[in-house]
Amino acid sequence: DAGVTQSPTHLIKTRGQQVTLRCSPKSGHDTVSWYQQALGQGPQFIFQYYEEEERQRGNFPDRFSGHQFPNYSSELNVNALLLGDSALYLCASSHFSGVKNIQYFGAGTRLSVL
Amino acid sequence: AQSVTQLGSHVSVSEGALVLLRCNYSSSVPPYLFWYVQYPNQGLQLLLKYTSAATLVKGINGFEAEFKKSETSFHLTKPSAHMSDAAEYFCAVFGATNKLIFGTGTLLAVQP
Repeated sequence: DAGVTQSPTHLIKTRGQQVTLRCSPKSGHDTVSWYQQALGQGPQFIFQYYEEEERQRGNFPDRFSGHQFPNYSSELNVNALLLGDSALYLCASSHFSGVKNIQYFGAGTRLSVL
Repeated sequence: AQSVTQLGSHVSVSEGALVLLRCNYSSSVPPYLFWYVQYPNQGLQLLLKYTSAATLVKGINGFEAEFKKSETSFHLTKPSAHMSDAAEYFCAVFGATNKLIFGTGTLLAVQP
């Protein structure tokens, strides 16, 4: 049973470019959450997707957008990259059942913006 | 609003010594609390969770944590540290909706 998988593992971009990160949830999970972890910090919630809709959003600008597909996989898109977007981006999957269920994390995508 | 505070960004212990990592929470509703571990260049792995059942929670790798409402604490302990425990540890609380709010982390070093 595969856990949460993310691709790519590493990515280097330049300022102003756009990037797409991908996440496949753990088998049986229907909800995907994205987090940004800057160096030396705890993860910060970006947004959460369920039933192909953004259900919640953290304090991130509109440059950060996402999508969820019918197979529950998800993408995170970041436009007009800034140096400050350099971070580890973590995807977590869970069940959306109204109960605070455990979130399982992938290994992350490390984005470097030059 | 919910939040967690982890006291001590760096903790160093000797192999075989007690591990104590501190976490205090703030929550206007009964909290769901978690400890995650992050090894270098990896994602987060769940160590244990508190979901309003037993106040003493046992997790993987010999770790446990005790929920103390009167102290708003959820400290993580392990009786005897191993070299393999060296990692960063994050305490987290579920917010009012289904999202995790993390502390800033504690980096645990284990000296031989």
